[in-house]
Amino acid sequence: EIVLTQFPGTLSLSPGQRATLSCRASQSVSSSYVAWYQQYPGQPPRLLIYSASTRATGIPDRFSGSGSGTDFTLTIGRLETEDFAVYYCQQYGRSGVTFGQGTRLDIK
Amino acid sequence: QVQLQESGPGLVKPSETLSLTCTVSGGSINIISYFWGWIRQSPGKGLEWIGSIYHTGSTYYNPSFKSRVTISVDTSKNQFSLYLSSVTAADTAVYYCARPVGYGSSYYFDYWGQGTRVTVSS
Repeated sequence: EIVLTQFPGTLSLSPGQRATLSCRASQSVSSSYVAWYQQYPGQPPRLLIYSASTRATGIPDRFSGSGSGTDFTLTIGRLETEDFAVYYCQQYGRSGVTFGQGTRLDIK
Repeated sequence: QVQLQESGPGLVKPSETLSLTCTVSGGSINIISYFWGWIRQSPGKGLEWIGSIYHTGSTYYNPSFKSRVTISVDTSKNQFSLYLSSVTAADTAVYYCARPVGYGSSYYFDYWGQGTRVTVSS
């Protein structure tokens, strides 16, 4: 099983700033099969990014994903108030599906 | 727009079987190339993929659950169901049904139900 470690655990930023969230895999993720989700309290996760860098339908272009191998990044270009939430990475390579433990993005 | 809705008991006794159903609307569960799956979320273990099923009945399970889980599909009702046996307090979680995009046991999830909270307690 591939273990995903997200860091930082909590990120405190202000609207308008740039956010960089990291996800590190315990072994290489085949074909960069990494997805990112956003979750608000009491809501299901919402797909943002798949295949490491492809935005899902309707996702604003301030969200971007990058990375390969074991290191992946979600970048939010200019934070808006609705971006403060918890973010999860997920890998779906040959070893099945696993999720990271999440990064909480808080308003500073 | 595909919508998914979970239903089932919110309280299950230890050692019993947890049973949940997901009703799909806005599209047929027979859509070629799509699986249908279950994921749970708990404070202790975070998000965990439980398993997925194709409309033909082919299933893929997370090895962590394999001995206890069954997922079935009823295409006539546009529903699929989760059965998790011998539950313990560790199975207390919010259970989501979702639509996997991919194949085999390799997918991301583009549509999610709202989730249903299940508590295991006597």
